Amino acid sequence: GNSVTQMEGPVTLSEEAFLTINCTYTATGYPSLFWYVQYPGEGLQLLLKATKADDKGSNKGFEATYRKETTSFHLEKGSVQVSDSAVYFCALRDNSGGSNYKLTFGKGTLLTVNP
Amino acid sequence: DTAVSQTPKYLVTQMGNDKSIKCEQNLGHDTMYWYKQDSKKFLKIMFSYNNKELIINETVPNRFSPKSPDKAHLNLHINSLELGDSAVYFCASSRDTIYFGEGSWLTVV
Repeated sequence: GNSVTQMEGPVTLSEEAFLTINCTYTATGYPSLFWYVQYPGEGLQLLLKATKADDKGSNKGFEATYRKETTSFHLEKGSVQVSDSAVYFCALRDNSGGSNYKLTFGKGTLLTVNP
Repeated sequence: DTAVSQTPKYLVTQMGNDKSIKCEQNLGHDTMYWYKQDSKKFLKIMFSYNNKELIINETVPNRFSPKSPDKAHLNLHINSLELGDSAVYFCASSRDTIYFGEGSWLTVV
């Protein structure tokens, strides 16, 4: 079956530090990959996505590259801000067969950025 | 304009009650979902509808019954609420990318 494994949190950084949140996946087909962000007390927002191998998704200074050879989709940001404090979820959608109607999520990584 | 809207945002109710959460999307998507987020932030799909037809039902107790009157609406009715039903329930819709509502925080006391 499909699964997503992302690094355990919480992650605490100082402002302007470099961020990496690791995400690896297992899929039976050819997945699309996503990062969602959940700010405190709010819903899930799509942060970025990649639909095929070697695609790079980017948004708000965050980026992630779809690496088929390592089955990874690590999230990076060069300089984090306090406002980036949130829970980050890696997710996949398997585009083969009938399972393309749902996302499989990782467990989420809580990021806290201190001034 | 809110793309996926769900009501109520907060709901506190007693055990044994029946409650509903409503969801509407104005994106013209064919597929809608209900996800549950537990206290540890873990997200799991409950149901998915495509063109008003149920296509995913992930081992959810029978007390949970989704209803899709049309493509733009997917409501969730919960009977005989239990303490363990306390969670955040997210509605979502998609054509390609899945977009989520802002969540409904359900607390059963």
